[in-house]
Amino acid sequence: EAGVAQSPRYKIIEKRQSVAFWCNPISGHATLYWYQQILGQGPKLLIQFQNNGVVDDSQLPKDRFSAERLKGVDSTLKIQPAKLEDSAVYLCASSLGWTSGRAGNEQFFGPGTRLTVL
Amino acid sequence: SQQGEEDPQALSIQEGENATMNCSYKTSINNLQWYRQNSGRGLVHLILIRSNEREKHSGRLRVTLDTSKKSSSLLITASRAADTASYFCATGLQGGSEKLVFGKGTKLTVNP
Repeated sequence: EAGVAQSPRYKIIEKRQSVAFWCNPISGHATLYWYQQILGQGPKLLIQFQNNGVVDDSQLPKDRFSAERLKGVDSTLKIQPAKLEDSAVYLCASSLGWTSGRAGNEQFFGPGTRLTVL
Repeated sequence: SQQGEEDPQALSIQEGENATMNCSYKTSINNLQWYRQNSGRGLVHLILIRSNEREKHSGRLRVTLDTSKKSSSLLITASRAADTASYFCATGLQGGSEKLVFGKGTKLTVNP
């Protein structure tokens, strides 16, 4: 079974530029998550999709971050304009979610995109 | 804000020894999960324990959950150099949102 795919793996940009990350979840997984992981910290949830609807985006800085999940499969996360403090690893994860029939399911993570903002 | 807090922040042991990591959290949970992250790589799920369970085993891993104390522990027995990684607890909150809140992690080093 193929895992969660992410691209690019690395990205270096100047502040105020824009950047986009792509994620392809595990086939059949209804729930997709984007996390931000700053060096030395645990992942912080940015946005959670159930199929193509947003379940939780309470920690997404909506003035500069946006995300979409068209057709309930692939997802893109965009930052525009980027700030120095956005330097982090952006992780995508997926899970069966509510389709498993019970609450609380393991999440499968992609390798992440390491973003450096100069 | 972080829900779970791991303790210790860092742990260094010799190969063959046992490693114990603790996690404390603040609000009621549906489940608690442990993940491992090797240097520069994504997270890998290790074990999930539900709020009505007290102990769970998986290979060399043993997880306990005490909901009255709002705490969990992860025990790795007979550690190996390959166990060197950061370990995170993540709490699944009640309400069925599937959202996980991660702690800051424990960095485990197993010396050969």
